[in-house]
Amino acid sequence: GAVVSQHPSWVICKSGTSVKIECRSLDFQATTMFWYRQFPKQSLMLMATSNEGSKATYEQGVEKDKFLINHASLTLSTLTVTSAHPEDSSFYICSARDDVRNTEAFFGQGTRLTVV
Amino acid sequence: AQSVTQLGSHVSVSEGALVLLRCNYSSSVPPYLFWYVQYPNQGLQLLLKYTTGATLVKGINGFEAEFKKSETSFHLTKPSAHMSDAAEYFCAVSEYTGRRALTFGSGTRLQVQP
Repeated sequence: GAVVSQHPSWVICKSGTSVKIECRSLDFQATTMFWYRQFPKQSLMLMATSNEGSKATYEQGVEKDKFLINHASLTLSTLTVTSAHPEDSSFYICSARDDVRNTEAFFGQGTRLTVV
Repeated sequence: AQSVTQLGSHVSVSEGALVLLRCNYSSSVPPYLFWYVQYPNQGLQLLLKYTTGATLVKGINGFEAEFKKSETSFHLTKPSAHMSDAAEYFCAVSEYTGRRALTFGSGTRLQVQP
């Protein structure tokens, strides 16, 4: 159990376009999901906390209008990178906390975004 | 505020040797502590976690870690390394209340030599 599915696993887009990444908890409900960004050979940096039915909480320095987060149900959160630029190229990883077994969060497999 | 320090960005061991990956944390409240493993271009897999109770925690694939409050440490060990253990390892901390987002260390790349 406790599977988090992230889609797509990789995407290439042109500068100026928008890209949507989905994060689904397949076998549990998750009121809270998290979005991280990982640069090559670096650690994960928390971008935002996604809360079902309310606005996301963004970390300092993360542009809300650029990284749109929607958490419309207890099993789905989406991250939309708007007007993408090459510097947005990165590995994006989501995690979801099981509302029942809430001592840990489970991670998706990540999305490799390349903006050309 | 919380922080995690992982000593050693790269650790190399021989197959069959002891694995020791170091992690020290800083937290103003009792922490939850985690070790995750990441293979290239993949997400994170939980190895083990400490929340409360026994300070020696056993995880998957033969790994274990000991929470030492006096030393603010949560080092990861495995008695005998296997080639398949080669990966990136992250130590993480979260508070036990509130949104409990994870704060990660910088990671340690483990190489296992044949």
